[in-house]
Amino acid sequence: DGGITQSPKYLFRKEGQNVTLSCEQNLNHDAMYWYRQDPGQGLRLIYYSQIVNDFQKGDIAEGYSVSREKKESFPLTVTSAQKNPTAFYLCASRDRGEKLFFGSGTQLSVL
Amino acid sequence: RKEVEQDPGPFNVPEGATVAFNCTYSNSASQSFFWYRQDCRKEPKLLMSVYSSGNEDGRFTAQLNRASQYISLLIRDSKLSDSATYLCVVSFYTGGFKTIFGAGTRLFVKA
Repeated sequence: DGGITQSPKYLFRKEGQNVTLSCEQNLNHDAMYWYRQDPGQGLRLIYYSQIVNDFQKGDIAEGYSVSREKKESFPLTVTSAQKNPTAFYLCASRDRGEKLFFGSGTQLSVL
Repeated sequence: RKEVEQDPGPFNVPEGATVAFNCTYSNSASQSFFWYRQDCRKEPKLLMSVYSSGNEDGRFTAQLNRASQYISLLIRDSKLSDSATYLCVVSFYTGGFKTIFGAGTRLFVKA
């Protein structure tokens, strides 16, 4: 089954801790994206990557970091510098027709 | 000014009603346009692409007006199952394809 897998589904972060959200795709898509969604709000772009070993900041990159060492994987690290990390995080990949395909999301909460 | 703006609603309509959503975008270089649907606490799913010539998929009709930088979605004969948040999405190239979501329009269809 082709698709995007995000893990974990729920994640809790302690004060001052870095946490990493996993995103894996087997759709052979070059481009991948991370979005953050707050309750009742739209999706805001954190980082995106068009190709392996390349990524660009989105609109709210501060306090986050990413890597793209493999085409299939685009992990997001929420660092201790992100003071308000509680949100629903969505990973997506984009096909050649520019359509986005999403994972089922990770809900991050602060303990 | 936000890059993509939508009326947040909510729209409360009876079953069988016709409802229209509007969306405006600020970047005149925008190249691709979509409507996504998002159910509560779930990932967004592609509803339809939007073309200048207008396109229809069953009860759904989408329209793009590039001159006015305006996108619309019309839902005819609303069903209870149409209750969701509808997200307007715009992509443009800026060293890579950046995909921006509107904040969404909430629709409630009542029996």
